[in-house]
Amino acid sequence: DTTVKQNPRYKLARVGKPVNLICSQTMNHDTMYWYQKKPNQAPKLLLFYYDKILNREADTFEKFQSSRPNNSFCSLYIGSAGLEYSAMYLCASSPQGRGEQYFGPGTRLTVL
Amino acid sequence: AQSVTQPDARVTVSEGASLQLRCKYSYFGTPYLFWYVQYPRQGLQLLLKYYPGDPVVQGVNGFEAEFSKSNSSFHLRKASVHWSDWAVYFCAVRVNYNQGKLIFGQGTKLSIKP
Repeated sequence: DTTVKQNPRYKLARVGKPVNLICSQTMNHDTMYWYQKKPNQAPKLLLFYYDKILNREADTFEKFQSSRPNNSFCSLYIGSAGLEYSAMYLCASSPQGRGEQYFGPGTRLTVL
Repeated sequence: AQSVTQPDARVTVSEGASLQLRCKYSYFGTPYLFWYVQYPRQGLQLLLKYYPGDPVVQGVNGFEAEFSKSNSSFHLRKASVHWSDWAVYFCAVRVNYNQGKLIFGQGTKLSIKP
């Protein structure tokens, strides 16, 4: 089973309010990723956890936070949502060294 | 710089016709390459992967891709498309071996004519 789950599937948020998105996988993958995808654009890597170590991309370093309380769960946190955060957020996981990533269905975030 | 380019934003083919979606990559070293597909209202699904070896790799649903080091390409092909292939296709290159970081192209939207 290569299932990655994301909750919620749709999220409506107000400008300036926090947002918390959840991802889970039961494949015991050691790496979990968060991507942001906007229409007609490539998925953009925001951050990833390799085991318990968080790596954030340089250009999104201050905008997104994450936690991974155990191997199966990973969250994406936006402290203060702006209109520019409206996008699809994709979670993925990968077994060590394999490279291929398995994606969840995504959470569509709309900020008003 | 490491990058992936999919030169065709949109491709339309007739059902039953053959298909080629183009992908060019820029990467120093031996690339590990992937094709993903995104069906409407769904996440990305892995179609096929290239790890160094046979340049032609087979994927799901009759898709295959061919790696060319001389052309820096990894084109996706299918002999006969079906209406259910209507989707967006993404090419990606792995840029970090240990952590599996991927860089994606912008995607090619495939439409099928009846």
